[in-house]
Amino acid sequence: AQRVTQPEKLLSVFKGAPVELKCNYSYSGSPELFWYVQYSRQRLQLLLRHISRESIKGFTADLNKGETSFHLKKPFAQEEDSAMYYCALSGLSNTGKLIFGQGTTLQVKP
Amino acid sequence: EAEVAQSPRYKITEKSQAVAFWCDPISGHATLYWYRQILGQGPELLVQFQDESVVDDSQLPKDRFSAERLKGVDSTLKIQPAELGDSAMYLCASSPTGPTNYGYTFGSGTRLTVV
Repeated sequence: AQRVTQPEKLLSVFKGAPVELKCNYSYSGSPELFWYVQYSRQRLQLLLRHISRESIKGFTADLNKGETSFHLKKPFAQEEDSAMYYCALSGLSNTGKLIFGQGTTLQVKP
Repeated sequence: EAEVAQSPRYKITEKSQAVAFWCDPISGHATLYWYRQILGQGPELLVQFQDESVVDDSQLPKDRFSAERLKGVDSTLKIQPAELGDSAMYLCASSPTGPTNYGYTFGSGTRLTVV
């Protein structure tokens, strides 16, 4: 079965501290993985996707197939990073369906 | 920047009543998705359209939920009768021509409260 697990409901860090939001997935094939973010009072939006190997707003995520993980990292957290973060998996390349984790609230304290 | 439009933003309805949500995807986007997000959980796909055809409705409670996209543009999701457990955020999303794994654009959602 396809599943995405985000073990932390809340991650609280101080401004300038490193951030790592954990995501583990369960899928037997080659997954496509994404991070979505929802800032307060805004719509859910795509942050980054693993196929692009991009860095958005200082965030990066590396797919580790051996550990079935796709953790989101940022070396120095900013207050404006405070938001809800969702990891998502697309395992069926011909449909685009996304399976989401339960989300992690990132709180960056001044 | 093009957006996915949804209405209404909020809806309060009584148990056993009918309720409908509307979604207008980004112009030219052939694929449209309806997701349900229960408080404290991630979004879960209810139904996916490719143009006017249903691609996946395996998680749609078909005894009470229905969805249509008659002309392959905007879409309506209906619940009849609503139950207390249907209280959730209903999100619509769209993506460019054909199924894609490049991520897609979400609307602001409709927050449904069933009382």
